[in-house]
Amino acid sequence: DGGITQSPKYLFRKEGQNVTLSCEQNLNHDAMYWYRQDPGQGLRLIYYSQIVNDFQKGDIAEGYSVSREKKESFPLTVTSAQKNPTAFYLCASSRANRDGYTFGSGTRLTVV
Amino acid sequence: GDSVTQMEGPVTLSEEAFLTINCTYTATGYPSLFWYVQYPGEGLQLLLKATKADDKGSNKGFEATYRKETTSFHLEKGSVQVSDSAVYFCALTYGSSNTGKLIFGQGTTLQVKP
Repeated sequence: DGGITQSPKYLFRKEGQNVTLSCEQNLNHDAMYWYRQDPGQGLRLIYYSQIVNDFQKGDIAEGYSVSREKKESFPLTVTSAQKNPTAFYLCASSRANRDGYTFGSGTRLTVV
Repeated sequence: GDSVTQMEGPVTLSEEAFLTINCTYTATGYPSLFWYVQYPGEGLQLLLKATKADDKGSNKGFEATYRKETTSFHLEKGSVQVSDSAVYFCALTYGSSNTGKLIFGQGTTLQVKP
């Protein structure tokens, strides 16, 4: 079955460390997205990519970086410059049409 | 710019009660509209969608009708169950071009009590 996989499900980071969250899809979707969700809050867009080797900043890109070297993969790095990284991170993918997103199951990042 | 506004939660209902979660939108062109559901600790799942005016999306007893005249897409269910407790997000396709990008509302938490 096609789908979108995020790993790991839980991630712990020490202050000052960079960490990378994985997102892989086998849906042959062109576009991929990263969102951040804080408790009781909505979704905030971090980065998105509509084609390989290209990506755009979302509303809260500071302290994050991404790459899109393959169509299937869109990893997110949370850098030490992100002051408050503890959150639930969601990856999604879509075709370039009106069918909507498919979401991964999320990664919960905690700074210890 | 394009935007989505949902009713604030939490919405608390007893089992078998009627559910309405309001969603209104502002958009250029003719967006597609969506409802997503998020269960605790999980990602979002597509619940239903409508792609043009007067379309009704439906799934698992939930329904929503695309009302262009009132720019609304309210979610309804005739009889909720405890298992429907979740966060519900309304969304629309962004802009007039087919990029696939969505704009989400803030989400509405539904709590159903036995």
